[in-house]
Amino acid sequence: DQQVKQNSPSLSVQEGRISILNCDYTNSMFDYFLWYKKYPAEGPTFLISISSIKDKNEDGRFTVFLNKSAKHLSLHIVPSQPGDSAVYFCAARASGGYNKLIFGAGTRLAVHP
Amino acid sequence: KAGVTQTPRYLIKTRGQQVTLSCSPISGHRSVSWYQQTPGQGLQFLFEYFSETQRNKGNFPGRFSGRQFSNSRSEMNVSTLELGDSALYLCASSGGGTSDTQYFGPGTRLTVL
Repeated sequence: DQQVKQNSPSLSVQEGRISILNCDYTNSMFDYFLWYKKYPAEGPTFLISISSIKDKNEDGRFTVFLNKSAKHLSLHIVPSQPGDSAVYFCAARASGGYNKLIFGAGTRLAVHP
Repeated sequence: KAGVTQTPRYLIKTRGQQVTLSCSPISGHRSVSWYQQTPGQGLQFLFEYFSETQRNKGNFPGRFSGRQFSNSRSEMNVSTLELGDSALYLCASSGGGTSDTQYFGPGTRLTVL
């Protein structure tokens, strides 16, 4: 049972434009969400997070939006840069779940000049 | 601050053998979590240790075990290796609080022949 879903395996965006990565979840007990970026043969790198009490969080070029009623979150990258090309994972943590993260399958982002 | 370190980075074993992987968390972090990444199953939570106690466990067989030492360093052991255990094993550390971010190490690539 996939509790966290990233339905787009890949996304191609032109440099300078906006990249929007989407994530859906099914478990109502999730109260904390994170986005990680991963390059091949490396561990995931933390990007940004959001608590379920918020609907938006910004950090530089990265903004995460949370729509609790739709059980949907998205990561916006503006402007996109070639160095952003990587696999992006959405992760969720349940209330009382300590540090157990449930990951989506990932979306491969390619930013081309 | 030094990041999360994992040793060894690469390992080749044969079926039936056992293996021990090591993780040193970021200084001051008391929580260490382990994840398995495979092409078919994605990133899956194995277990978490906090102050030398396992406080959360994923859905993996008993062949997968771990421990944490008083200096927060952690080891993961897999006994009676199977071909399907070939994966990237990732360790993540955090302060242990419910909103603390987990920071990942580079991983150990295990190949079972």
